[in-house]
This record gives sequence, C-alpha cells and structure tokens, in this order.
Amino acid sequence: DADVTQTPRNRITKTGKRIMLECSQTKGHDRMYWYRQDPGLGLQLIYYSFDVKDINKGEISDGYSVSRQAQAKFSLSLESAIPNQTALYFCATSEGQGRNEQYFGPGTRLTVT
Amino acid sequence: AQSVTQLGSHVSVSEGALVLLRCNYSSSVPPYLFWYVQYPNQGLQLLLKYTSAATLVKGINGFEAEFKKSETSFHLTKPSAHMSDAAEYFCAVSGSGGSNYKLTFGKGTLLTVNP
Repeated sequence: DADVTQTPRNRITKTGKRIMLECSQTKGHDRMYWYRQDPGLGLQLIYYSFDVKDINKGEISDGYSVSRQAQAKFSLSLESAIPNQTALYFCATSEGQGRNEQYFGPGTRLTVT
Repeated sequence: AQSVTQLGSHVSVSEGALVLLRCNYSSSVPPYLFWYVQYPNQGLQLLLKYTSAATLVKGINGFEAEFKKSETSFHLTKPSAHMSDAAEYFCAVSGSGGSNYKLTFGKGTLLTVNP
C-alpha cells in the first residue's frame, strides 16, 4: 500500500464550485504539505502543516484553504474554483525537525471548466 | 533565500548514452540538495540526497550526483540511459533555520530516451 494517498486522482469541476482534495499518510510524519504543479513552473507550495494545530500559508495560498483533521489527514479546499486553478496537486509529508526529504502522493489532476 | 536553476528544460539522449542533467543552486548556508524523478501520471520519487557527507552521492536506478561547492552545482548523471529513465527530473534545495521545512524546486528537466 502507498504511504501517501490522494483522492480523487482526477476531477473535473465547474467554475464556482467548491471542491475538496484529500490526503492521507501512513508514514507517521508530523509535517504535511500541499503543492501545485503547472507545466514548466515546477512545484509551488500552497499550505503546510507541522502538526494538527499548526497550519501555515505557503507561496500561493489565495483561493485555497486547508484542514488538518488528524496527524495522518490533510485536506485542501477550493472554495470557489476558477479555471486558472486547473493544475496537478500534490500532497507530501516529511519528518519533523531537520532538513528532511519529502515524500509525495500520486497527485490529483484537477480541471476547472 | 534559496533558489535552484535547472539548465535545459528538455534533454534528449540515445539509449545507452550518458545522461547529464544540470542543477545549480543558491543558498546562504551549506545546502541540503535533492533530486526527484516524476514518471508520467505519478508523484515525485526521491532519487538521491546530499546532506554534507560525501560529495558523490549514489541514488536509485544507477543515478548519482556530485556536489561541487566551488561551482554551486549538483548535476545528476547516469552512465548508460535506459528507456525506463524517460521522465521529468527535479532538483531541490532545502531551507535553513526557521525555513528548514521548505524545499525550493527547480522547474524540471524532461528526459527523453531514444531507441
């Protein structure tokens, strides 16, 4: 079983709809992240969380919100989706403290029409 | 602040040829550096990492990278390309101090392997 899972894997939604992307991990890591990937732009950090009560904005948080329901679960919401939020979204985890590598989920491909 | 530059958004090699993917970094502190690979329709997978121990780092699938402080480089190599190496590769540098959680990624290099 994968250590970091994301649901759904693909989603098409309409402008103005609310949508939630979910991430679960079995690695026991405290830190979790949400990234957005656009072709040719690499990965941009949307939100990150050090534990259930510690959530922080990343580089491009406008239009997004998150919820850390438990150590193992971190959800990303688009309150009112717009077409330029069409992208590939990744969840990642890492161990707390130190400059550690991150482990990525398989991604959710979101299309907003 | 940290930054990463990957030279060449697309590299094409023949099967069996040397693979060289270039990465230069900028960091205000001794860096921790990472290479990730992304196969089609998959997430990023860690290939290797440098954490200030040996300057030549060996990773999975026959890849290795050499840290050169004087050149601020961390280029990824593989002696002989295989068709299965076709993927996108990302170099990343970690933050430091209060930003040690943060990975700054390059924009990626797409590797094509021709038969």
